[in-house]
Amino acid sequence: SAVISQKPSRDICQRGTSLTIQCQVDSQVTMMFWYRQQPGQSLTLIATANQGSEATYESGFVIDKFPISRPNLTFSTLTVSNMSPEDSSIYLCSVAGTDSYEQYFGPGTRLTVT
Amino acid sequence: KNEVEQSPQNLTAQEGEFITINCSYSVGISALHWLQQHPGGGIVSLFMLSSGKKKHGRLIATINIQEKHSSLHITASHPRDSAVYICAVRGGNQFYFGTGTSLTVIP
Repeated sequence: SAVISQKPSRDICQRGTSLTIQCQVDSQVTMMFWYRQQPGQSLTLIATANQGSEATYESGFVIDKFPISRPNLTFSTLTVSNMSPEDSSIYLCSVAGTDSYEQYFGPGTRLTVT
Repeated sequence: KNEVEQSPQNLTAQEGEFITINCSYSVGISALHWLQQHPGGGIVSLFMLSSGKKKHGRLIATINIQEKHSSLHITASHPRDSAVYICAVRGGNQFYFGTGTSLTVIP
């Protein structure tokens, strides 16, 4: 299994500002994912964070809005840029297990944009 | 149409009741996950299934691959079981998530 921590756990931000969310894993993992869960909705994959290359974004998500860094195999950041109230969500970091079938989730970052 | 459908969306039970949450999916899968999300937002993986049945404490998960259906059962429910339960399936390189079942267990 993998133990994942996220910072911050929650934040309240003003419209137009940016927030960087950190994800730390206790072991080296190949695949790290960033998800968003808007109020009352299920999880939506934002992007896959690749170590040593650019992140792979899902349809509807772009690098300018959600830049991602993956400097090593245990750490990644997601930035929510130029925030609007519609960005209010829980943002979750996730990693795939060694067999790629298991998936482990971080505790999430609850973001409120006012 | 969602690839993963869960029912019910909301469920309220009295402490001690037997609870069933259902999940149907429409894609070919290699694995199905049951996840538990508490009010703070953190998600815990309860089960990963590719066939048959798994049991962990008061929780039982079953899957029928032919019918593309899975159930999560909670026996002797307790207020601490109150959470959102999410069904997720892995098809190819992608995960598909249900919208979750919000369970409230009343003492």
